[in-house]
Amino acid sequence: GENVEQHPSTLSVQEGDSAVIKCTYSDSASNYFPWYKQELGKRPQLIIDIRSNVGEKKDQRIAVTLNKTAKHFSLHITETQPEDSAVYFCAASRRGGNNRLAFGKGNQVVVIP
Amino acid sequence: EAGVTQFPSHSVIEKGQTVTLRCDPISGHDNLYWYRRVMGKEIKFLLHFVKESKQDESGMPNNRFLAERTGGTYSTLKVQPAELEDSGVYFCASSQGGAETQYFGPGTRLLVL
Repeated sequence: GENVEQHPSTLSVQEGDSAVIKCTYSDSASNYFPWYKQELGKRPQLIIDIRSNVGEKKDQRIAVTLNKTAKHFSLHITETQPEDSAVYFCAASRRGGNNRLAFGKGNQVVVIP
Repeated sequence: EAGVTQFPSHSVIEKGQTVTLRCDPISGHDNLYWYRRVMGKEIKFLLHFVKESKQDESGMPNNRFLAERTGGTYSTLKVQPAELEDSGVYFCASSQGGAETQYFGPGTRLLVL
């Protein structure tokens, strides 16, 4: 089955700096890669996703890049703010494989004011 | 539109007891997924319903876990008898038919003592 690795496990950044979280996946048939943000005590919320026919996608301060050859994808947060502090999960799934998500272990991002 | 809801939010039981978790998906979502996160590890897939049918239950740990989705609406996940290693956060997610985007509930935190 799919195996998703996520690095680093924790990340501290100064407010205003950028944060980058990287994930690798093992199944070359995976073609959908969502990122979820989970604030303390709340549900995981989808913040951005990318499909395998696209190399990059951006939404305001958040962007995701995908390298299919190397089988890795990254989340980029620019101009970080305290409200960006949360656990971020990357995931991968294969269309036609019931869309079950394989998750990374999560990354605790702390934005220091 | 109401999001995915789960009940209870927390449950503390003793080893050997039975617990039933409930998930109400977003109205109209045919796909319903159960996932589990054991402390410090990744969120792992348990099973997938399409309407009332189990599409994939390959992630269910063992036969102490029983999931149902009668009528294709809400779903229950029963653990009987509970063991210490069943402790964790149980998430439910739903999606529209054929869609990749999954919306998560807040989770049920289960502690087995």
